[in-house]
Amino acid sequence: EAQVTQNPRYLITVTGKKLTVTCSQNMNHEYMSWYRQDPGLGLRQIYYSMNVEVTDKGDVPEGYKVSRKEKRNFPLILESPSPNQTSLYFCASSLGAMTEAFFGQGTRLTVV
Amino acid sequence: QQQVKQSPQSLIVQKGGISIINCAYENTAFDYFPWYQQFPGKGPALLIAIRPDVSEKKEGRFTISFNKSAKQFSLHIMDSQPGDSATYFCAASMREYGNKLVFGAGTILRVKS
Repeated sequence: EAQVTQNPRYLITVTGKKLTVTCSQNMNHEYMSWYRQDPGLGLRQIYYSMNVEVTDKGDVPEGYKVSRKEKRNFPLILESPSPNQTSLYFCASSLGAMTEAFFGQGTRLTVV
Repeated sequence: QQQVKQSPQSLIVQKGGISIINCAYENTAFDYFPWYQQFPGKGPALLIAIRPDVSEKKEGRFTISFNKSAKQFSLHIMDSQPGDSATYFCAASMREYGNKLVFGAGTILRVKS
């Protein structure tokens, strides 16, 4: 089954404790992105990658890091999480520009 | 300007009625306009999409109307059903930024049976 898999689904952590949210896709897609969803703001792009070893900032990259060492994986790293990073996070992948983006199930992160 | 403005924030429609959600954008470089549907606890899923060289696209009960001169586009759901109750997001993207999607704030649709 074609899918984007994120882990964990739920995470509660404390301020400053480094964490990684994993994302993997099995569709051989070139493009991968991370978005955060906040009430009243829709989804906003954090980082994206158009290919292995190629990543770039989205609209809200502060406090986040990503890497793309393999085509299928695109982890999101929060080196020192803060409460304002409490949000619902989605990983997405797509074949290319102007094509369907497939989203994972989401990761609900709470930073206390 | 990268914004996409979406209205209304929420919408209640009777079963069998027409649901209409509107979006507006500023940046004329946008060249792809998808609509995503999201159910609680799930990720968004593509519903229907349109390119600016087309004024209307219909898939089943779902229709996108696109007005390039007004920089507006809308989603019409005909014969709305309780199963259509979800959050709907309009979005826009530009080819030069790959598949980066700029989303509207979302519309929570409730269809009453």
